[in-house]
Amino acid sequence: QMQLVQSGPEVKKPGTSVKVSCKASGFTFTSSAMQWVRQARGQRLEWIGWIVVGSGNTNYAQKFQERVTITRDMSTSTAYMELSSLRSEDTAVYYCAVGVDVWGQGTTVTVSS
Amino acid sequence: QLVLTQSPSASASLGASVKLTCTLSSGHSSYAIAWHQQQPEKGPRYLMKLNSDGSHSKGDGIPDRFSGSSSGAERYLTISSLQSEDEADYYCQTWGTGFFWVFGGGTKLTVL
Repeated sequence: QMQLVQSGPEVKKPGTSVKVSCKASGFTFTSSAMQWVRQARGQRLEWIGWIVVGSGNTNYAQKFQERVTITRDMSTSTAYMELSSLRSEDTAVYYCAVGVDVWGQGTTVTVSS
Repeated sequence: QLVLTQSPSASASLGASVKLTCTLSSGHSSYAIAWHQQQPEKGPRYLMKLNSDGSHSKGDGIPDRFSGSSSGAERYLTISSLQSEDEADYYCQTWGTGFFWVFGGGTKLTVL
């Protein structure tokens, strides 16, 4: 069945970067679009951006435009979301998703000095 | 601007029914949405996609107790025969031109 498996939890210092991976299986990765969403504790879900896997085209939320890069590796069916210049407010669970119905299990990113 | 509005909380008794509402912003009443359930400390679980005409397609394994309906700019999620495991946050979601996603603020459902 369609499945997305994300990388493990990360603890980062302010000002550094984090790269979260999302490995896809059970569907044609190259024909998909991968979305990234985050959720801080007690807050609503927040859209970060997406990548059209086949073309590599990306679209980012304005809030993250300067700091986020979404990429993919078609040889390993894996998508990546890298967020730079981390600050404490970036502490959240980060999710990848395909369509609205298939979600990864989430990756906790903690930003702390 | 595409915005989804949800009441922050709702409650209903065990075995009863509850109807949650998600309201689309002005000018966007034709948009489809998706409903997700999020139990404590878990990721979102897709419940259904709901169109403006009230037709909906549920995710695999979603019980018949969950149903959707629409009226104008409002999208509803009705849960009947409430069970304790239905206590969760419920989010609506839609997508704009260019496939950017928008989420409502979520409704925290308490089963009494």
